[in-house]
Amino acid sequence: EAGVTQSPTHLIKTRGQQATLRCSPISGHTSVYWYQQALGLGLQFLLWYDEGEERNRGNFPPRFSGRQFPNYSSELNVNALELEDSALYLCATRRWGDGNTEAFFGQGTRLTVV
Amino acid sequence: GESVGLHLPTLSVQEGDNSIINCAYSNSASDYFIWYKQESGKGPQFIIDIRSNMDKRQGQRVTVLLNKTVKHLSLQIAATQPGDSAVYFCAERPGGGADGLTFGKGTHLIIQP
Repeated sequence: EAGVTQSPTHLIKTRGQQATLRCSPISGHTSVYWYQQALGLGLQFLLWYDEGEERNRGNFPPRFSGRQFPNYSSELNVNALELEDSALYLCATRRWGDGNTEAFFGQGTRLTVV
Repeated sequence: GESVGLHLPTLSVQEGDNSIINCAYSNSASDYFIWYKQESGKGPQFIIDIRSNMDKRQGQRVTVLLNKTVKHLSLQIAATQPGDSAVYFCAERPGGGADGLTFGKGTHLIIQP
């Protein structure tokens, strides 16, 4: 069974541009979580999608947004990129309503803003 | 609660020794806890979990202890090996019908030869 896949693995953008990151969940998983991990720091919760709806978001500005598609894959969009947005962006997925189970992570997208 | 922007604390242990990684969680209503391991350049991987109705759970070379009184979680790794070098994160599920996982800031475990 395929795991959580994220694309691209690396992305280099210029300040002010927009970035789009993608996540494909494990088959049967309907919940998708996005996290930001700046170099040497912990995981910061960004967004949670389930059944196509945004369920919760972390303490990030509105230029961080996303969506979930009918096949449960998800996109994270970051507008008006700033240098501080450079980080590893991780996606994790889980079955909806199956609260007492772990979330499975992808390998991440390394976003570099120059 | 965790502090945003601080660098990861580091724990250095000798190969073969036991390691104990600690985590203080913030929500007394949290009902499920997970430990993840993140190796350099990879996404976090599940190690072990524990429900709030338990205070100890053992896996292969790992033990998780939960003290709800002081909201403390620990991960014990027996006979550490070089491959155990990684960043370890604890995560809590808020409970009360809420979903999502809140992560601690992590601990960088370094194994000395």
